[in-house]
Amino acid sequence: DQQVKQNSPSLSVQEGRISILNCDYTNSMFDYFLWYKKYPAEGPTFLISISSIKDKNEDGRFTVFLNKSAKHLSLHIVPSQPGDSAVYFCAASAFIRSYTGNQFYFGTGTSLTVIP
Amino acid sequence: DGGITQSPKYLFRKEGQNVTLSCEQNLNHDAMYWYRQDPGQGLRLIYYSQIVNDFQKGDIAEGYSVSREKKESFPLTVTSAQKNPTAFYLCASSLLGTGGHGYGYTFGSGTRLTVV
Repeated sequence: DQQVKQNSPSLSVQEGRISILNCDYTNSMFDYFLWYKKYPAEGPTFLISISSIKDKNEDGRFTVFLNKSAKHLSLHIVPSQPGDSAVYFCAASAFIRSYTGNQFYFGTGTSLTVIP
Repeated sequence: DGGITQSPKYLFRKEGQNVTLSCEQNLNHDAMYWYRQDPGQGLRLIYYSQIVNDFQKGDIAEGYSVSREKKESFPLTVTSAQKNPTAFYLCASSLLGTGGHGYGYTFGSGTRLTVV
């Protein structure tokens, strides 16, 4: 059962416009969320995170919004650049207060294409 | 520089053969993970290990085996029992018990396995 879902497999956006990538989750215990960016034949790299105590986190052109009641988060990229073309994964975790730590659950990814 | 190294980058296997994928990290991370990526499937967890000499099955462990004899190393063996082994394999590591999630996982650059 997929606990983290990215319902849009692909998205195309004109350079300079806003890209909005969406992610939904089902487990209400999730309290930490990340976005990863992945280029072909490479490992994902960390992009931005948000804790459930916040509803927004910004880092330069990237902003993540969290709507806990809707179990929904989104990544906004403004302005979009051709170098942003990649697959974006959202991931969620429920922090376990023990040595066993946390396991992240990943969405299926959204392939973003920014058109010059 | 600290990081996580996967080798080889490309691997070809004949049907019926076992093959081992290497994953080494010098980040002093406690936990290590193996994921498989298939088109449209996102990242699926194969095995993970949180301490030396201990590991747990993930969602798709059948046909795979792992060992964790050293903190730095977490090799994955794809056995002949794995019915569809052609995929992109990603190794990751993370800290445990940090009191926060930090950046989640650090990923290697992946190994593309093809059965010929």
